[in-house]
Amino acid sequence: GNSVTQMEGPVTLSEEAFLTINCTYTATGYPSLFWYVQYPGEGLQLLLKATKADDKGSNKGFEATYRKETTSFHLEKGSVQVSDSAVYFCALSGPNTGNQFYFGTGTSLTVIP
Amino acid sequence: DAGITQSPRHKVTETGTPVTLRCHQTENHRYMYWYRQDPGHGLRLIHYSYGVKDTDKGEVSDGYSVSRSKTEDFLLTLESATSSQTSVYFCAIGQEFYEQYFGPGTRLTVT
Repeated sequence: GNSVTQMEGPVTLSEEAFLTINCTYTATGYPSLFWYVQYPGEGLQLLLKATKADDKGSNKGFEATYRKETTSFHLEKGSVQVSDSAVYFCALSGPNTGNQFYFGTGTSLTVIP
Repeated sequence: DAGITQSPRHKVTETGTPVTLRCHQTENHRYMYWYRQDPGHGLRLIHYSYGVKDTDKGEVSDGYSVSRSKTEDFLLTLESATSSQTSVYFCAIGQEFYEQYFGPGTRLTVT
């Protein structure tokens, strides 16, 4: 079946630290992969996506590479800011998912000055 | 931002009463989804629609029904609300399996 597994949180980092949030997936076929971000009191916003193996999605300094060989899509940022404090969700969808999205449970990130 | 609104944004209701949440879009997207978000569970799909009058169940559909009589509106109904349905409900829209766009959410409390 289809599923997404994210690293457990919460994660607390100091400003300017390096961020990695791990995400692995199980899927049939070749899904598209996504990272969404949710700020307090808001809905989810698309952060970045990748639609095929070896694609790198990037946005606002965040990056993630679609690794088919390790079925992973880890989120990284070289220097986090206080404004990056949010919950991050990894997700997949594709032609073999019945047009549904599968989300991980979310990883809460707090960045302290 | 995608044009998605949800109403009401907050609601408190009593156990056993019916509740209807509304999702409205101005993007003419074919697919619409209802999720609930609970601590420790992330997002769970309740129902989704792939066209007017075309709906299907998601992972946690028990106790919920939906209707879509127009492309722009997707209604979620709790026929008889229970305390276990206290949650934050999100509507999303999309085109097939491409990225989804989310509404601002409705916080529902069942007392």
